[in-house]
Amino acid sequence: KAGVTQTPRYLIKTRGQQVTLSCSPISGHRSVSWYQQTPGQGLQFLFEYFSETQRNKGNFPGRFSGRQFSNSRSEMNVSTLELGDSALYLCASSLDGRGDNQPQHFGDGTRLSIL
Amino acid sequence: KNEVEQSPQNLTAQEGEFITINCSYSVGISALHWLQQHPGGGIVSLFMLSSGKKKHGRLIATINIQEKHSSLHITASHPRDSAVYICAVYSGGGADGLTFGKGTHLIIQP
Repeated sequence: KAGVTQTPRYLIKTRGQQVTLSCSPISGHRSVSWYQQTPGQGLQFLFEYFSETQRNKGNFPGRFSGRQFSNSRSEMNVSTLELGDSALYLCASSLDGRGDNQPQHFGDGTRLSIL
Repeated sequence: KNEVEQSPQNLTAQEGEFITINCSYSVGISALHWLQQHPGGGIVSLFMLSSGKKKHGRLIATINIQEKHSSLHITASHPRDSAVYICAVYSGGGADGLTFGKGTHLIIQP
């Protein structure tokens, strides 16, 4: 069974640009969560999608958005990039998104660098 | 909002030593996860527990719900155990997803 696939693995952008990251979950998983990891803040929850609907959202500005398609693949978009957006972006999939009855399966992440 | 504290932040030990990593949280939870992150970024889920104790190979995880505390133990540690170990809690309701500790950077020297 293939794991969670994130593309691209590395990305370099400049301030003001926008970026789209992609996440393909494990087959059969309907929930995709996105996380940002930085040296200063550690791992932080961005949002979670389930059956094409954003179900939960963390404390991030509106520049961070996402969507989920009918095949459960998810994309995350960051507009008007800032230096502070440099981070490792991880997605994780699970059957139904509940964190108390199943583990989340993480991708290897997309490392985004803003120049 | 749940506050998750891990200790120690950094730990260097010799191969074969018994390792303990601690995690405390401030608000009641419905589950706690232990994660392992190797250099390069990939995260692997080690345990998910809501009570008691779980064991997988040389890894043991325990949780005390009343004291809001969990420990991850590694027996007979090996250099391949070198990684960052992250504790994450799920409070239920789904509003905030998982809340993470800052991680424990473990180095096992041969």
